[in-house]
Amino acid sequence: DAGVIQSPRHEVTEMGQEVTLRCKPISGHNSLFWYRQTMMRGLELLIYFNNNVPIDDSGMPEDRFSAKMPNASFSTLKIQPSEPRDSAVYFCASRKGPGDEQYFGPGTRLTVT
Amino acid sequence: QQQVKQSPQSLIVQKGGISIINCAYENTAFDYFPWYQQFPGKGPALLIAIRPDVSEKKEGRFTISFNKSAKQFSLHIMDSQPGDSATYFCAASKGGSQGNLIFGKGTKLSVKP
Repeated sequence: DAGVIQSPRHEVTEMGQEVTLRCKPISGHNSLFWYRQTMMRGLELLIYFNNNVPIDDSGMPEDRFSAKMPNASFSTLKIQPSEPRDSAVYFCASRKGPGDEQYFGPGTRLTVT
Repeated sequence: QQQVKQSPQSLIVQKGGISIINCAYENTAFDYFPWYQQFPGKGPALLIAIRPDVSEKKEGRFTISFNKSAKQFSLHIMDSQPGDSATYFCAASKGGSQGNLIFGKGTKLSVKP
């Protein structure tokens, strides 16, 4: 299996622009997680989906952030408009089911100038 | 509110030495305590995990020690090797491994040859 796939790996954009991060979970996995990693705050859970349905989005920082999972093999995290403080590494992880290990993707390094 | 506190922030150990990383948690409802290993440019990967019904778990050179009354747990890496150089994260969740993970801020380990 190719593991969790994220794209792009690096994104540099200007403040105010829309940013879309993409994730393809491992085939057969039913849960998908979006995390943000920064030096100051560490690794934070933003949102997670079960069977394509958002279960907990309490970690989404504000309305500028939105996430979708239109089908079992694809999810997006969108930031509109982006701000410099959104600069971070964003990870997607997937899990087969309750009690199983979470597998992380390689991350997308976002820089907002 | 940071619910999992990890120390030290960075650690330098000589090859063959013992690396020790500590974590403390606040929420007594936590019942699953994993450690993740992250290499540069990669996502975190599960290393070893423990539940509070045991005080120690060992897998190869990696051992978790768990002190429920003190609400602390630690990772010990015996015979540390340069290949162990990475960032290590402790985490905790309630609801077993089904729950959402709360991560510590990480410890950057460097093992000198």
